[in-house]
Amino acid sequence: GAVVSQHPSRVICKSGTSVKIECRSLDFQATTMFWYRQFPKQSLMLMATSNEGSKATYEQGVEKDKFLINHASLTLSTLTVTSAHPEDSSFYICSASSGGGFVDTEAFFGQGTRLTVV
Amino acid sequence: LAKTTQPISMDSYEGQEVNITCSHNNIATNDYITWYQQFPSQGPRFIIQGYKTKVTNEVASLFIPADRKSSTLSLPRVSLSDTAVYYCLVGGTGGSYIPTFGRGTSLIVHP
Repeated sequence: GAVVSQHPSRVICKSGTSVKIECRSLDFQATTMFWYRQFPKQSLMLMATSNEGSKATYEQGVEKDKFLINHASLTLSTLTVTSAHPEDSSFYICSASSGGGFVDTEAFFGQGTRLTVV
Repeated sequence: LAKTTQPISMDSYEGQEVNITCSHNNIATNDYITWYQQFPSQGPRFIIQGYKTKVTNEVASLFIPADRKSSTLSLPRVSLSDTAVYYCLVGGTGGSYIPTFGRGTSLIVHP
């Protein structure tokens, strides 16, 4: 099946610094990518949807200036957590779709990134 | 209004069959039903997808009644490694679909 690679898998940063998380579709063109955040023992919460070459659409309550999303190519999307604070510590997961919607294995998920802000 | 409703948790024992039911009363005509499995600190993994009746693959079966307002994921002969959270998602085919997760079902398989 298709593979989505997310990097890094784990990162620890100091409060006030910025962290970039990469999401790559390795063997297909991802016209749409989704970014999720997951707190312990909770479900995945959608943060934003990005289409290649367009600005991301953020969910209500997600600060677009804090969580910068770039989807400049069909195989790469990045999420930058700017001026990170301890409350941003979470598990971040990306998903990539070839754009046909949600049939069979058309949406694929990365391995996730554990962000810890100290 | 939640799109899907699942039991919060389930317990089973090795070798048993586990059935997890998901309610999706407001499913639309063009919505598919997809189940994912998630282990701690990992991304969700696709298990199975269906539209109606029954679908079977090498790891699970999916039963969907005629009214499609619910679906049941069946895991035959579970093992300890099947301990995970299982999510049922509904959505249509089309570029505007956004995978949205409900609370999921935490399955614990005991020795």
